[in-house]
Amino acid sequence: RKEVEQDPGPFNVPEGATVAFNCTYSNSASQSFFWYRQDCRKEPKLLMSVYSSGNEDGRFTAQLNRASQYISLLIRDSKLSDSATYLCVVNLPQGRRALTFGSGTRLQVQP
Amino acid sequence: EAGVAQSPRYKIIEKRQSVAFWCNPISGHATLYWYQQILGQGPKLLIQFQNNGVVDDSQLPKDRFSAERLKGVDSTLKIQPAKLEDSAVYLCASSPHRQGGTDTQYFGPGTRLTVL
Repeated sequence: RKEVEQDPGPFNVPEGATVAFNCTYSNSASQSFFWYRQDCRKEPKLLMSVYSSGNEDGRFTAQLNRASQYISLLIRDSKLSDSATYLCVVNLPQGRRALTFGSGTRLQVQP
Repeated sequence: EAGVAQSPRYKIIEKRQSVAFWCNPISGHATLYWYQQILGQGPKLLIQFQNNGVVDDSQLPKDRFSAERLKGVDSTLKIQPAKLEDSAVYLCASSPHRQGGTDTQYFGPGTRLTVL
């Protein structure tokens, strides 16, 4: 079983749509959770951290369910510029491995 | 603030040849990471340094890969000899925290390696 699993997509949505991505992780000791964004042929960049209480940053909302080991990202009012691959990322306890990435979910927002 | 620098940006070699990549992290960042990203997959950690010491190299194929960070600043990753399956983007990242825990990691632009 992969440590971080995501639906690879692609998700093809029209501008203005709401889209949700899900991710599951296998290690219950995971401590920190993130969504990274990666544009085609570019490096990953941090989109947002994910907190147990849920958090929002503009059009983006992230949720964490530790009991189910499940992370989600919701994008409202999709823009063409949101087209990218979204990587679900977890961080194991300090002193151990660095970030563990999912394979990513590709989003294509269409005009 | 300057970001993470990597060179070269692209490299094409034949199998069994050697190749080296260079990374200069953000100034003052104690922790440096090398990741391998194969097409269609997420980045996978190869090695993590804290200053000039290795924290984690459990996923580094040590029979052919080596890395060093001698002065605790810049780092080199070497592959010798290269195999076809080493074709990937090699990403360097750095973070400021000594333990490299939950601090944000900043990625360089990567080196795209093609092995023929």
